Amino acid sequence: DTAVSQTPKYLVTQMGNDKSIKCEQNLGHDTMYWYKQDSKKFLKIMFSYNNKELIINETVPNRFSPKSPDKAHLNLHINSLELGDSAVYFCASSQGYELAGNTGELFFGEGSRLTVL
Amino acid sequence: AQKVTQAQTEISVVEKEDVTLDCVYETRDTTYYLFWYKQPPSGELVFLIRRNSFDEQNEISGRYSWNFQKSTSSFNFTITASQVVDSAVYFCALSEGSDTDKLIFGTGTRLQVFP
Repeated sequence: DTAVSQTPKYLVTQMGNDKSIKCEQNLGHDTMYWYKQDSKKFLKIMFSYNNKELIINETVPNRFSPKSPDKAHLNLHINSLELGDSAVYFCASSQGYELAGNTGELFFGEGSRLTVL
Repeated sequence: AQKVTQAQTEISVVEKEDVTLDCVYETRDTTYYLFWYKQPPSGELVFLIRRNSFDEQNEISGRYSWNFQKSTSSFNFTITASQVVDSAVYFCALSEGSDTDKLIFGTGTRLQVFP
């Protein structure tokens, strides 16, 4: 049973289209994230949600809209796709640092490779 | 502002060599957390270690060891007797106590281990 699962794993689409990537975690974590990894492997946080509430929005264009229907899901919708949106998008979750013995690590999904033509 | 620098873009070694991956960080917080993640060719991100700023003890886990030095703001990672399966991109990352939800990654070091 995959802890953090993302769909689809690969997505090829034309400029101007709208697409969504879904993410689900079965770890019972309160916090979920979206990270973007560009072609040079640079990983940057986009959004963070804690218990369905937006915590971090890292100056991401408003064409990107995350949605968290419940704390186990964080979906990413992208409008009017541009060539520069081509990247691998990683969903992640964590429990946070408060719990004793918790490592504070992020558990990542396998990534969704988005290619915009 | 927080920042993580991994100056080595790519390292190539031959199997059984020891290799050290450097990580230098910047932060104004006195409480912070440092991480290493591994990204093998298959693409997933694998957690290796987390260290908090109050724990400067070095850690060893099998062939992996980490050297945390606050005096030089470094958190270096050494693989002894490297193996081909160690080939991956390794990321150092930092989160600050004031904003633990935000993990700042370095640019990664690609390690290639040749047989």
